Amino acid sequence: EVQLVESGGGLVQPGASLKLSCVASGFTFSDYWMSWVRQTPGKTMEWIGDIKYDGSYTNYAPSLKNRFTISRDNAKSTLYLQMSNVRSEDTATYYCTGSSDYWGQGVMVTVSS
Amino acid sequence: DVVLTQTPSILSATIGQSVSISCRSSQSLLDSDGNTYLYWFLQRPGQSPQRLIYLVSNLGSGVPNRFSGSGSGTDFTLKISGVEAEDLGVYYCMQATHAPLTFGSGTKLEIK
Repeated sequence: EVQLVESGGGLVQPGASLKLSCVASGFTFSDYWMSWVRQTPGKTMEWIGDIKYDGSYTNYAPSLKNRFTISRDNAKSTLYLQMSNVRSEDTATYYCTGSSDYWGQGVMVTVSS
Repeated sequence: DVVLTQTPSILSATIGQSVSISCRSSQSLLDSDGNTYLYWFLQRPGQSPQRLIYLVSNLGSGVPNRFSGSGSGTDFTLKISGVEAEDLGVYYCMQATHAPLTFGSGTKLEIK
């Protein structure tokens, strides 16, 4: 059974940093481009970025490129999202996805003082 | 960024009724490689999105064949031939032809 399990979310203060993780199982993680997508409280879906199967290439939404970094560890079948200088508008549910076919259950991030 | 406009925003249907959702793009989604990277997802209440259709018309793994996708260029349609109770939720289209990937605003399907 394919599983993607995100973790690392919670309540954080504006300006802080946060690192999300996504552990994959049930498929060959190293064969897949992986992405992060977020869904705002108003249900708007926003693509954050993706990373090539070997970690050699990343793409980002231009509006997030300077604050968010995607990485992966294929030995651990884990995808990461490093978020820095977070803002209230980063409040959302964050999903990891494997080539849009596999999705995690999501992890909530709330940015508030 | 490519804007995807979904209509209607809310759709009410009875069990067994056939319905369609439109997704119109601000730019052609035909890629230089000949593929059209248009996808459809269903997000059931309290769940993460599930991919229904990829590359305009290809049915995802395990997706019932009452779902079908069609279209080209800038106009795309998701059709459900005989709505079932489990189909309620929000449907999103997404394009991956142009960076950044973008999503439609969603169509909420309600069951009468």
